[in-house]
This record gives sequence, structure tokens and C-alpha cells, in this order.
Amino acid sequence: KNQVEQSPQSLIILEGKNCTLQCNYTVSPFSNLRWYKQDTGRGPVSLTIMTFSENTKSNGRYTATLDADTKQSSLHITASQLSDSASYICVVRCDMRFGAGTRLTVKP
Amino acid sequence: DSGVTQTPKHLITATGQRVTLRCSPRSGDLSVYWYQQSLDQGLQFLIQYYNGEERAKGNILERFSAQQFPDLHSELNLSSLELGDSALYFCASSADRRSTDTQYFGPGTRLTVL
Repeated sequence: KNQVEQSPQSLIILEGKNCTLQCNYTVSPFSNLRWYKQDTGRGPVSLTIMTFSENTKSNGRYTATLDADTKQSSLHITASQLSDSASYICVVRCDMRFGAGTRLTVKP
Repeated sequence: DSGVTQTPKHLITATGQRVTLRCSPRSGDLSVYWYQQSLDQGLQFLIQYYNGEERAKGNILERFSAQQFPDLHSELNLSSLELGDSALYFCASSADRRSTDTQYFGPGTRLTVL
């Protein structure tokens, strides 16, 4: 069983709508949790990095939250754009455990 | 453009062969990381080098090896290739060795083993 589980596997939303992606982990302890955006065939791009003591971190329209007690993180995307269509990957930095990603498609 | 370069972009080879992937980190970055991304396994961390020394090891097979040279570029050597080694191989770099450092990923090398 993967120690980092992401949900949903895929998501389709309309342009302008908000969405929330989930990441549940069992890795413990860990030094930080990261969210990456990966366009098809390209390298991942860092969105946020949170240490275990941080609850929330924003990067423009992206806001990540972390609940270390329940071992859950979420990535909220506000006012989605067509360019947000990508895979979003959660990484728990202990010995670098990657989630399988959520494939987000934003339609006009 | 992340500033990390990888060569070649594509590589097609046969089982049993050996290949070398090359990575040049962003200017000034001391850490280099290698990752493998396959369809069935997702992204997996292979190995990290910091200023020429091995820093951390992940799921790297014994058939694979890496090194970081004095000019900080890095090479990943894959030998006795198997069909299952077909994947995208990414290199990333960061300024230092802190676990909170932002990693910048290169465009990847797509390896196809026939």
C-alpha cells in the first residue's frame, strides 16, 4: 500500500470553478510536504512546500493546507484556468514518498 | 524554463545495453536529484548528490549508478537494461541540501528499451 494516497485520481471541472485535491499519508515522521504541478511530458514544478508545523501556504491561486494530526493535506485551486490542466502530485519528504497524482482537466 | 538541462531528450536502445543520461543543474545549485517516472510506478526518487558526494539513496537498482562531477553536472548510468526500465528520467537541482529547498526539475530524458 502506498504511503501517500491522493484523491480523486482524476477530476474534470469547468473554467472559473474552484476545486480541492486531497492527499492522505501514513509516512511519519516527515520533514515537509510538497505539492507539484506536472504538465504532460514535462518536469514537475513546485507549488508549495510546508513543514509539519505549518497549516497553510498559498502560491497565487493555489492554497495548500496540512493537518499533521489527521495526516491529511489538500490543495485548493481557485478560479481555475485552462492552463491548470495537469497532474498534481503530493510528496511527503521523509525519504521522498510520492503520491500517484490527481489528473485535473479544466474545460471551457 | 527551470534552468536545469538534460540530455538526450529521447533515447531508444535494446535490452542488455548500457546508457548514460546527463544533467546540468541550475547555475549555483549544489544538489542534484535523479527520479524515474513510469506509467505504472509514478515518480520515484533514485538518488541525491550534494557537491560531488552521495547524499541520499532511494529506490535505485544496483544496475544503476550515478555521479556528480567537480563542475556539478551529474550523470546517471543505467546498465543491463530491461524492458521495465523504459521511463522518463528526471533530474532536479536545488541550491543546498536542506530538505525544504525548492527543487527545480529538468525536462527529462525519455528512455525506451526495446
